[in-house]
Amino acid sequence: DAGVIQSPRHEVTEMGQEVTLRCKPISGHDYLFWYRQTMMRGLELLIYFNNNVPIDDSGMPEDRFSAKMPNASFSTLKIQPSEPRDSAVYFCASSPQVTYNEQFFGPGTRLTVL
Amino acid sequence: AQRVTQPEKLLSVFKGAPVELKCNYSYSGSPELFWYVQYSRQRLQLLLRHISRESIKGFTADLNKGETSFHLKKPFAQEEDSAMYYCALNAGGYNKLIFGAGTRLAVHP
Repeated sequence: DAGVIQSPRHEVTEMGQEVTLRCKPISGHDYLFWYRQTMMRGLELLIYFNNNVPIDDSGMPEDRFSAKMPNASFSTLKIQPSEPRDSAVYFCASSPQVTYNEQFFGPGTRLTVL
Repeated sequence: AQRVTQPEKLLSVFKGAPVELKCNYSYSGSPELFWYVQYSRQRLQLLLRHISRESIKGFTADLNKGETSFHLKKPFAQEEDSAMYYCALNAGGYNKLIFGAGTRLAVHP
């Protein structure tokens, strides 16, 4: 099993452009999480899904951010329009439907907005 | 409010020295706490969870409800322990984790 897969691994874009980050969770996992990691704020939960349904999006910074999970094997995080302050590493993680279970993280996408 | 505090951004020690990475939490109910670790060029991964009461790679962590702390300890640090360590709180039973800001541990030879 390749684990959680994220693409692209690196993204450099210009301010105002749309950015789409992709995630494939581990097969059979029912929870999917999107996190943002910055030097200043550490690891922040943006949104998470259970069985493809968004459960808590209170961490999404603003309306420029949106996330979808059209099926159990794919999720996207979109930023439109992007701004320099969005530059960060974005992680996707998944976990099984077991309370207090371990989360398995992807390698992350390093986003740079110029 | 649910919160995890890791007061040190960087902890620098010499090989063989004891290590304690501090973690304090804020939660009114019964918490479930974890330590995650991110080694250089590797994925963030679970190191240990308090419910397991186990020692992983020589690290232990004890939940102190009176002090609302879950400090990570190791008696003798090794160079390969150098990494970013995150304390995390699961306060809702829905696998939603709240992470602290992280502490970078640097172990020098």
